[in-house]
Amino acid sequence: AQSVAQPEDQVNVAEGNPLTVKCTYSVSGNPYLFWYVQYPNRGLQFLLKYITGDNLVKGSYGFEAEFNKSQTSFHLKKPSALVSDSALYFCAVRDYDGGSQGNLIFGKGTKLSVKP
Amino acid sequence: GAGVSQSPSNKVTEKGKDVELRCDPISGHTALYWYRQSLGQGLEFLIYFQGNSAPDKSGLPSDRFSAERTGGSVSTLTIQRTQQEDSAVYLCASSPGWANYEQYFGPGTRLTVT
Repeated sequence: AQSVAQPEDQVNVAEGNPLTVKCTYSVSGNPYLFWYVQYPNRGLQFLLKYITGDNLVKGSYGFEAEFNKSQTSFHLKKPSALVSDSALYFCAVRDYDGGSQGNLIFGKGTKLSVKP
Repeated sequence: GAGVSQSPSNKVTEKGKDVELRCDPISGHTALYWYRQSLGQGLEFLIYFQGNSAPDKSGLPSDRFSAERTGGSVSTLTIQRTQQEDSAVYLCASSPGWANYEQYFGPGTRLTVT
């Protein structure tokens, strides 16, 4: 069965420090991987995606993610965190070869807190 | 341009009543999705529409839930005989297609069943 795991409920980072939000996945075919961010009382905003090609994907707001097939991971990273990055982050996967009809499978979310 | 819009933004209803939630997708997007976000269950897929194909209803939690999409655009999610466990934020998303396209989410409808 397709699944996504975000092992950390919360990540705390000091402003200016690098941040990593972890995500691992399990799919039967080739994964299409996504990261979304949710600010309080708002819908989800798309950050970046991996479909194929370079393992390092760059996205919005200075975020990037590294696809690692051998470790089945897709960790979200940013070199220098901002207080405004504090939000809830969701990793999601779509299993293209598994016959999925297009819906995303989401992780439970990781709350990122960046302190000044 | 205009994003995905949902109405109402908040809905409070009594247990046993029916509710209708509306989603206006981004113009031209052929795929439309409904998800539910709750504290205990995270983000759950409910139903998916793609063009004129039959919808994928595999995520609907019970037969009290139904959805339709008229004219390939606006969608309505209906919950009949609401229960307290239906309380959640209902999110709608649309995309230009499926597979490798990202989904664009609306702000959600917060449903509270009393």
